[in-house]
Amino acid sequence: GENVEQHPSTLSVQEGDSAVIKCTYSDSASNYFPWYKQELGKRPQLIIDIRSNVGEKKDQRIAVTLNKTAKHFSLHITETQPEDSAVYFCAASTGFQKLVFGTGTRLLVSP
Amino acid sequence: GAGVSQSPSNKVTEKGKDVELRCDPISGHTALYWYRQSLGQGLEFLIYFQGNSAPDKSGLPSDRFSAERTGGSVSTLTIQRTQQEDSAVYLCASSSRQGAGEQYFGPGTRLTVT
Repeated sequence: GENVEQHPSTLSVQEGDSAVIKCTYSDSASNYFPWYKQELGKRPQLIIDIRSNVGEKKDQRIAVTLNKTAKHFSLHITETQPEDSAVYFCAASTGFQKLVFGTGTRLLVSP
Repeated sequence: GAGVSQSPSNKVTEKGKDVELRCDPISGHTALYWYRQSLGQGLEFLIYFQGNSAPDKSGLPSDRFSAERTGGSVSTLTIQRTQQEDSAVYLCASSSRQGAGEQYFGPGTRLTVT
């Protein structure tokens, strides 16, 4: 079955810096890759996603890139702000199926 | 519109008791998923319902866990003879057949087994 690995487990940046979180997946059939942000005690919130027919997608300060050949995808956050501090999870699926999640990255943005 | 709702928000039970957790998906969403999140951990898939198809139960950790979805809407996750290792946040998500199958999560039920 699908296995998703996520790095780093923790990431500390200064406000205004960029942050990059990387994930790899094992199942070449996976074609849908969402990213979720989870604040302490809250539900996971979908922040951006990408399908395998697209190499890059951007939404304001957030972007996701996908390399199907290498089976890895990354989340890029530019101009980080303290409110970006949270745990971020990547996931993979074949679409309309269960999500297999990475182990999460705790991002801390210091003012 | 209304998002995914779950009840109760918190449940404390004694070891050996049965518990029922409820999920109300977003109206019109045909797919419903249950995940479990242990303290400080990632999300673990439990079970998935899609329309009238047979559910994907491949993530259920033991036969003490079961779930049903009545009328294609509300779902109930039942844990029988609870154990301390069942303590976790149980999250429900739903998705429609539109788009790429984006899943939207409910607030979760925090289960504590004493």
